[in-house]
Amino acid sequence: SQQGEEDPQALSIQEGENATMNCSYKTSINNLQWYRQNSGRGLVHLILIRSNEREKHSGRLRVTLDTSKKSSSLLITASRAADTASYFCATDLYGNNRLAFGKGNQVVVIP
Amino acid sequence: GAGVSQTPSNKVTEKGKYVELRCDPISGHTALYWYRQSLGQGPEFLIYFQGTGAADDSGLPNDRFFAVRPEGSVSTLKIQRTERGDSAVYLCASSLRDGASGANVLTFGAGSRLTVL
Repeated sequence: SQQGEEDPQALSIQEGENATMNCSYKTSINNLQWYRQNSGRGLVHLILIRSNEREKHSGRLRVTLDTSKKSSSLLITASRAADTASYFCATDLYGNNRLAFGKGNQVVVIP
Repeated sequence: GAGVSQTPSNKVTEKGKYVELRCDPISGHTALYWYRQSLGQGPEFLIYFQGTGAADDSGLPNDRFFAVRPEGSVSTLKIQRTERGDSAVYLCASSLRDGASGANVLTFGAGSRLTVL
């Protein structure tokens, strides 16, 4: 079963706007990761946040983690057309070697 | 190699046929994963190898699915008596678990798109 569940499922924004997507999970995690997927093919790792961290930045990406609510958000600032993709959260569970992926958010950035 | 390589990129087969999908992971990555992704869904875990052995095969949907990694590098996912419901993109990923944080960051291949007619 999928551990992460993203919300909302689809987002369409103008270039330059910010895009925010959320992810919730059910059990304790070691860390939470976000991946991007273009054109329905391979996923690319974007950013990882550990369970003892609350916020992390990488370039135009900002991730937050609220372990009390079992949720995470991914913010993309100043979006570009090239950010058009599907974004997935994935949870890395303690004592488990697999990553469990959510259903994904489809983001369309209109030039 | 520089990345995870999967072949074939596309495979069209008829119901009931046997299919093999190959994955060549990043050199030195001991962990290898197979996931399956249907249209509009997230990747679904199938099987995980640590070295040559299948450490977790709990995601394989039934006994028609089997995977091997005989020398701890290249892996082959084998599907017998294919069904239309097996149509999906099959993704392979490899990883080198980060020693400092214990984090498991996956590098994915481009996937093999399987269509069963």
